[in-house]
Amino acid sequence: LAKTTQPISMDSYEGQEVNITCSHNNIATNDYITWYQQFPSQGPRFIIQGYKTKVTNEVASLFIPADRKSSTLSLPRVSLSDTAVYYCLVGYSGGYQKVTFGTGTKLQVIP
Amino acid sequence: DAGVTQSPTHLIKTRGQQVTLRCSPKSGHDTVSWYQQALGQGPQFIFQYYEEEERQRGNFPDRFSGHQFPNYSSELNVNALLLGDSALYLCASSSRLAEILSSGANVLTFGAGSRLTVL
Repeated sequence: LAKTTQPISMDSYEGQEVNITCSHNNIATNDYITWYQQFPSQGPRFIIQGYKTKVTNEVASLFIPADRKSSTLSLPRVSLSDTAVYYCLVGYSGGYQKVTFGTGTKLQVIP
Repeated sequence: DAGVTQSPTHLIKTRGQQVTLRCSPKSGHDTVSWYQQALGQGPQFIFQYYEEEERQRGNFPDRFSGHQFPNYSSELNVNALLLGDSALYLCASSSRLAEILSSGANVLTFGAGSRLTVL
């Protein structure tokens, strides 16, 4: 699976938009980009997934440039409850691929 | 619709003992993966089960073994426990059919984990 690089930590005030960027320079043609959120002592929770351009759901947006070598998770108007670790994963699950997590980005939302 | 359920939630063992952790996948899912998450680290892939067979394995010793049952539930067994095995063990389920229909995009549903402490 393509290796990913994310900032180790980020701070943001409540109500601000937060953008977390993930680099994946050797992403393969078949790879998807998936983001998970994890609270302490809980399992990761799926946030959003995309292949190219922009994907938006009720909680986040995912921006993927044309070369797909990076992606940006955008969280609109964060609240204290968005304080968590965010993981970017790149891979293709067909054929029993391993899904590997990096160290993630710890987002701290400040009141 | 029940999500992924894991048991036990917490357990304490001593070095050299053996432990079995259990996982019931989300309804409609047929694939189970196990992860180990040490404090402050991301989840590390242990292995994946589909159709009762181990399909992929991460970089874990043979002390870690598993099983998948016909009802898709799964067990993770760890023998000869070491202090370093203390971690949160996560089970994740997914659907192979959904993967195929979505051309390979996979979404994992995780349980809350089993916290293992080895003394």
